This record gives sequence, structure tokens and C-alpha cells, in this order.
Amino acid sequence: EAGVTQFPSHSVIEKGQTVTLRCDPISGHDNLYWYRRVMGKEIKFLLHFVKESKQDESGMPNNRFLAERTGGTYSTLKVQPAELEDSGVYFCASSHHRRGLMNTEAFFGQGTRLTVV
Amino acid sequence: AQSVAQPEDQVNVAEGNPLTVKCTYSVSGNPYLFWYVQYPNRGLQFLLKYITGDNLVKGSYGFEAEFNKSQTSFHLKKPSALVSDSALYFCAVRDEDFNKFYFGSGTKLNVKP
Repeated sequence: EAGVTQFPSHSVIEKGQTVTLRCDPISGHDNLYWYRRVMGKEIKFLLHFVKESKQDESGMPNNRFLAERTGGTYSTLKVQPAELEDSGVYFCASSHHRRGLMNTEAFFGQGTRLTVV
Repeated sequence: AQSVAQPEDQVNVAEGNPLTVKCTYSVSGNPYLFWYVQYPNRGLQFLLKYITGDNLVKGSYGFEAEFNKSQTSFHLKKPSALVSDSALYFCAVRDEDFNKFYFGSGTKLNVKP
């Protein structure tokens, strides 16, 4: 079974440019999450999809961030325009979605390291 | 509100010695607790979880964690550390209502030969 895959693994862009990160969850996983870790800090929640619907986007920093999940499959996270403080590692995770099934762990991708210069 | 604290940025231990990586949590409901590990250039890998039942949970690679409700802690332990255990370890709590994870800031474990 293929795991969660993220693309690209690294991205270096200039301030003001646009970057799009992609996440392919494990097949059959309805839950898809985006997280971000800024250097040395905790991994912070950005948003949560259940299938194609945004369940919770309370962690999105501002309107420069746009996440989509077309057809409930892969997801993209676009940053436009990028700022220096957007640098960090962006993780995607997926899990099964069953109400009450709280013992299900999430499976994470390898992350995309974004550097804004 | 849910939160996780990992008080140590780094833990150093000699190979063969026991190791402990500390984690405390704050939750408003039932605690669903997890440990993940990140090896260099790799994603987060699931190690173990506590949902209910025995306070001592066993996981991958010989790791175990002890749930202590009175101290709101979920420390990660291993009786005998290996150099290959050197990695970044994250403690997490899962929110029962909103089905998302809250992570600590991570602890870097260095196991020296």
C-alpha cells in the first residue's frame, strides 16, 4: 500500500512568488490534514478535509493560503504571495473517517520543506 | 483547549542506557495520545498510541509509553537505546470533537555510541 506522498520535497522561492504544494493521501482515506512546522516549533494544524469538504480551516494563517481537494482525492495547498514567515515544513496526513473511531492514527507524508527568500 | 508540552528540546543518552522522552498534555475530554518519530529526510512515523486500557503501551522498535492520568503525562521510554533511535520525537493528542491532532514542539533524541 502506497503511503502519503507529497510533492515537491523541497521548494525555494522568492518573496512574493506563488508556490503550490501537493499531497496524495492513502487511497480510501477520507480525512486529509495539512500541518506546518516552523523551525524548532511545534507542528501546527492548518486545516482538515473530509473528502472534498473543508471540515476545519481554523489553522490557516491568512488568506494568502488556499487549500483545495478536488474530488476528494489529492489536495493542493497554494501560498500566494509567499512571505518570509511562510518558510517551514508542510506536512500532509490522512486517516480513515469513521465517527467515533478515535483510535485511528494518522499517516504522514515526508513533508515539503518550503524556504522563502 | 487541547495542548501538548515537550519540555526538553534535546535528550542525550548513551547507547544501551534507558531513555525517556517527556510529554505532558492538556485535554478537555478523553485523552487520545500518540507518539510519532521523524528520521532525517523522512515523514512522521507512528510509534504508539494510548486510547484506553493498560497505562503502559507498547509500540514499534521496542518503544513504550506510560500514561499517567494524575500527572497528565505520556512519557516515551525504551529500556536500552540504540544509535539508530536518534531522531526527532513528537507527542500528540487527538481532539475528540474536531478530529485533529495537536503536537508538541518535538524532542531531538541523540544516542551516542
